[in-house]
Amino acid sequence: DVKVTQSSRYLVKRTGEKVFLECVQDMDHENMFWYRQDPGLGLRLIYFSYDVKMKEKGDIPEGYSVSREKKERFSLILESASTNQTSMYLCASSKRPAPEQFFGPGTRLTVL
Amino acid sequence: AQSVTQLDSHVSVSEGTPVLLRCNYSSSYSPSLFWYVQHPNKGLQLLLKYTSAATLVKGINGFEAEFKKSETSFHLTKPSAHMSDAAEYFCVVSDPSVWNKFYFGSGTKLNVKP
Repeated sequence: DVKVTQSSRYLVKRTGEKVFLECVQDMDHENMFWYRQDPGLGLRLIYFSYDVKMKEKGDIPEGYSVSREKKERFSLILESASTNQTSMYLCASSKRPAPEQFFGPGTRLTVL
Repeated sequence: AQSVTQLDSHVSVSEGTPVLLRCNYSSSYSPSLFWYVQHPNKGLQLLLKYTSAATLVKGINGFEAEFKKSETSFHLTKPSAHMSDAAEYFCVVSDPSVWNKFYFGSGTKLNVKP
């Protein structure tokens, strides 16, 4: 079974802090994704990566950056957290050429 | 462009009765379609997928969906609801022209009454 793990289930940070969300997959998938999920807005793609050190902006990249130094790990970085970044963050991975994505359990981030 | 419409934001059924969650899609290509389930404060779990093989797709936990190209629909069904089916369900279409980007429906919350 594919396993996607995220470093924290719940996280509370203060405005202005630098925040790292980590995602690891164990199935040698090329593609990895970061989404945020908000009530009434659904799931929105922040960034994705199709290979080590490669990244592409998704639909809402502002205020975020990403890092992929190893194939199995994809990090989402909030350089200076703001209250409007309070959300549920979901990581996913997929193996080319198959389209289906496998999701991690999510990190619920609260920025105070 | 791809898009997905889930026709009901909330569905309520009694335990043991059939479940029908409706999904219509718009796609410029032969689509891949998926249903995912999300239990509260959890990630999304793949229920089933359609990728241009059989039009009736069977998934986990007794769910199935039928791809109907003429109706551009991919409705999710289950013959008999269980309390554990209470969750939010997402219909998704992927766009093969854009690295299989996912387009999510807005979700349907399924309530199962005892």
